[in-house]
Amino acid sequence: DAGVIQSPRHEVTEMGQEVTLRCKPISGHDYLFWYRQTMMRGLELLIYFNNNVPIDDSGMPEDRFSAKMPNASFSTLKIQPSEPRDSAVYFCASSSPGGRGYGYTFGSGTRLTVV
Amino acid sequence: AQKITQTQPGMFVQEKEAVTLDCTYDTSDPSYGLFWYKQPSSGEMIFLIYQGSYDQQNATEGRYSLNFQKARKSANLVISASQLGDSAMYFCAMREGDSSASKIIFGSGTRLSIRP
Repeated sequence: DAGVIQSPRHEVTEMGQEVTLRCKPISGHDYLFWYRQTMMRGLELLIYFNNNVPIDDSGMPEDRFSAKMPNASFSTLKIQPSEPRDSAVYFCASSSPGGRGYGYTFGSGTRLTVV
Repeated sequence: AQKITQTQPGMFVQEKEAVTLDCTYDTSDPSYGLFWYKQPSSGEMIFLIYQGSYDQQNATEGRYSLNFQKARKSANLVISASQLGDSAMYFCAMREGDSSASKIIFGSGTRLSIRP
């Protein structure tokens, strides 16, 4: 199994530009989560999906953030327009009831820098 | 209200010594799960160990064990015979409820440094 795959690994963009982060969950996992990690706020859950349907987006910081899951094997997190305070590491994770304690498997993360 | 508390921002331990990383949690749900994740400097999040609230025995995974004290609401991670490769950030996390639909929340982490 290739694990959870995120792309790109690093992204540097200018303020005001649109940024799209991508995630491919583990095949068969029916839950997908997007987290953001910063020094100040730690790991924050932004949104999660079950069977491609958004379940809880209460962690999405602003309307500039949006996430989609058009099918079971792909999800995107979009920031438009981006701001310097969006600089962080964004993790995607997936899980299934068959996992140990329903624990997550994380992707390698996307380090976003907005200048 | 903070539900996962890790009071040790950083720790230094001599190689081959055992180390305990503290974690306390707060929940009113009788069914919950506790996790520990390791984040090395490369950035990935690595699952280490899981403890369910109804598990009678403390969880163990190789050199990792979870000291689960339910009445005290603590779930400390014990690493035996520490190695240089154990240097990393360690996160305690909790899921309330016993469904995969429940989200996991993370503590602020402890940075562990192993001295040779």
